Amino acid sequence: NAGVTQTPKFQVLKTGQSMTLQCAQDMNHNSMYWYRQDPGMGLRLIYYSASEGTTDKGEVPNGYNVSRLNKREFSLRLESAAPSQTSVYFCASSARDSYDEQFFGPGTRLTVL
Amino acid sequence: GDSVTQMEGPVTLSEEAFLTINCTYTATGYPSLFWYVQYPGEGLQLLLKATKADDKGSNKGFEATYRKETTSFHLEKGSVQVSDSAVYFCALSESTGRRALTFGSGTRLQVQP
Repeated sequence: NAGVTQTPKFQVLKTGQSMTLQCAQDMNHNSMYWYRQDPGMGLRLIYYSASEGTTDKGEVPNGYNVSRLNKREFSLRLESAAPSQTSVYFCASSARDSYDEQFFGPGTRLTVL
Repeated sequence: GDSVTQMEGPVTLSEEAFLTINCTYTATGYPSLFWYVQYPGEGLQLLLKATKADDKGSNKGFEATYRKETTSFHLEKGSVQVSDSAVYFCALSESTGRRALTFGSGTRLQVQP
């Protein structure tokens, strides 16, 4: 099992460019999440998907869109990147129970110039 | 809303020293509590968890006890090793709804030989 995979690992964008971060899990989990990690702020929830076909906003959704393509895949799109979106992005999945741990991908380090 | 507060780092210790990283939380309902560890360049890994009051989570020599009366979940280890150098995150999981994780800001631990 690969667990949670993310692509790309690194990306540099210019202000105004768009890109999609890909995430996939092979654990048959129902719930998937996108977080961003900024220095001194821990991880903050951007969007989540409780099950295939549903998505909802988290704490910091502005400037992002998501797609739950199927049970395995959950993508995050930046339509017009801004320097404030420079961050490390983590995808996570869980079996949808408050007792269950979330499994994290290795992260994508994004720099917006 | 829910929040997690953990001690600021970095924490610098000598090998075999005793470790305590403080974590307190504010939450409605009855959250589950977690400690995650992030090694350099990697994603987050679950270290231990506790799902109800007075539960003790333990793993790899680390322990934390869910204290409802003091709303705390302090991480302890009796004898740290150089390989324990990492960033440690305290987190809580909402007991209903989206079940996303709310993270503390992280504490960097540096263990010197």
